[in-house]
Amino acid sequence: SQTIHQWPATLVQPVGSPLSLECTVEGTSNPNLYWYRQAAGRGLQLLFYSVGIGQISSEVPQNLSASRPQDRQFILSSKKLLLSDSGFYLCAWSPYRSEKLFFGSGTQLSVL
Amino acid sequence: AQSVTQLGSHVSVSEGALVLLRCNYSSSVPPYLFWYVQYPNQGLQLLLKYTSAATLVKGINGFEAEFKKSETSFHLTKPSAHMSDAAEYFCAVSGSSGYSTLTFGKGTMLLVSP
Repeated sequence: SQTIHQWPATLVQPVGSPLSLECTVEGTSNPNLYWYRQAAGRGLQLLFYSVGIGQISSEVPQNLSASRPQDRQFILSSKKLLLSDSGFYLCAWSPYRSEKLFFGSGTQLSVL
Repeated sequence: AQSVTQLGSHVSVSEGALVLLRCNYSSSVPPYLFWYVQYPNQGLQLLLKYTSAATLVKGINGFEAEFKKSETSFHLTKPSAHMSDAAEYFCAVSGSSGYSTLTFGKGTMLLVSP
């Protein structure tokens, strides 16, 4: 069966520090991968998606970047965090050419 | 382009009462529609989905939703609320192209009182 792992579960970082959130999927190959951010009262916002290694599409210009160094690994990064980067970050995957998303358990990021 | 509007950021019901969570969508292509549930500090789980088959879709935990094209709606219902249903619910839409970039609504928090 397929599983998705996302870590860490919680993270407190000072403004201006770097960020690296990692997501891996097991039990499938060539998944579509996604990073969403959930801010209070604003629902889920798609940040990045990837259909293959090294292929990243950005939905919203911002202080963050994403990379996909391996087929089942998706990384969300920032060189310098801003206060506005605080939120709940969710990684998700879907089978190739499928509309069904499977979510990780999320990372609560607090930038202070 | 797609968009989703969920009416009401919070809905309160008593245990045993009918649950109705409203979702209206906008889509320039035939839509696929979804309801997801999120329990505190967890990721989202798929409750049910509409993908152009039957307009009345049954999901997990006794929830169901009806696709009404004329009303551009996909409201979520459950005949009798249970305390364990308390969670945040998200409606989402995607195009039916087979490539899934879902657009989510802002969510509705369901509160269930004894």
